[in-house]
Amino acid sequence: EDQVTQSPEALRLQEGESSSLNCSYTVSGLRGLFWYRQDPGKGPEFLFTLYSAGEEKEKERLKATLTKKESFLHITAPKPEDSATYLCAVQSQKLVFGQGTRLTINP
Amino acid sequence: GAGVSQSPSNKVTEKGKDVELRCDPISGHTALYWYRQSLGQGLEFLIYFQGNSAPDKSGLPSDRFSAERTGGSVSTLTIQRTQQEDSAVYLCASSSRTLSSYEQYFGPGTRLTVT
Repeated sequence: EDQVTQSPEALRLQEGESSSLNCSYTVSGLRGLFWYRQDPGKGPEFLFTLYSAGEEKEKERLKATLTKKESFLHITAPKPEDSATYLCAVQSQKLVFGQGTRLTINP
Repeated sequence: GAGVSQSPSNKVTEKGKDVELRCDPISGHTALYWYRQSLGQGLEFLIYFQGNSAPDKSGLPSDRFSAERTGGSVSTLTIQRTQQEDSAVYLCASSSRTLSSYEQYFGPGTRLTVT
């Protein structure tokens, strides 16, 4: 059974304090690993797709990386507007989501 | 361009009543998905439509839940005889499902409260 585990569940950082979010997965036949951002009361917003180990994608202060067992979302010098829940999902036959990491950036 | 839209944004209903939730996908997207997100929980897959193929209903939690997609575009999720445990945010997503892309784009969701 495909599984996705995200850690930590919640993370509080000071503005400018860099960190990483983890997404560990087990899947048969990975077709893609996705990162989404979800703000309160809104649907998930697509950020990145990674397809193979070693691949990296960047967008502003975010960088996603992928290995055969996990993905990291690195946040460099975050700002308060980066506060959100970050969801990881893997696609094999279906898209299976992790529980998310709730990130809070304090000014 | 327009994203995925859902209506209503909020729905409060009494236990035992039927509800219909609507999803308008991104124009040209052939794949449409319904998910449920309960408070503090991850997204739970419900049903998936791809073109004219038979839908994948494997995530529907009971026979009170059904969905249809008319003309390959708009979809309606129906919950019959609602129960309090049905209270959740129901999210719709669409995807172009090209060979190189499985990205799903989500609507804002419908918050369902069963009293």
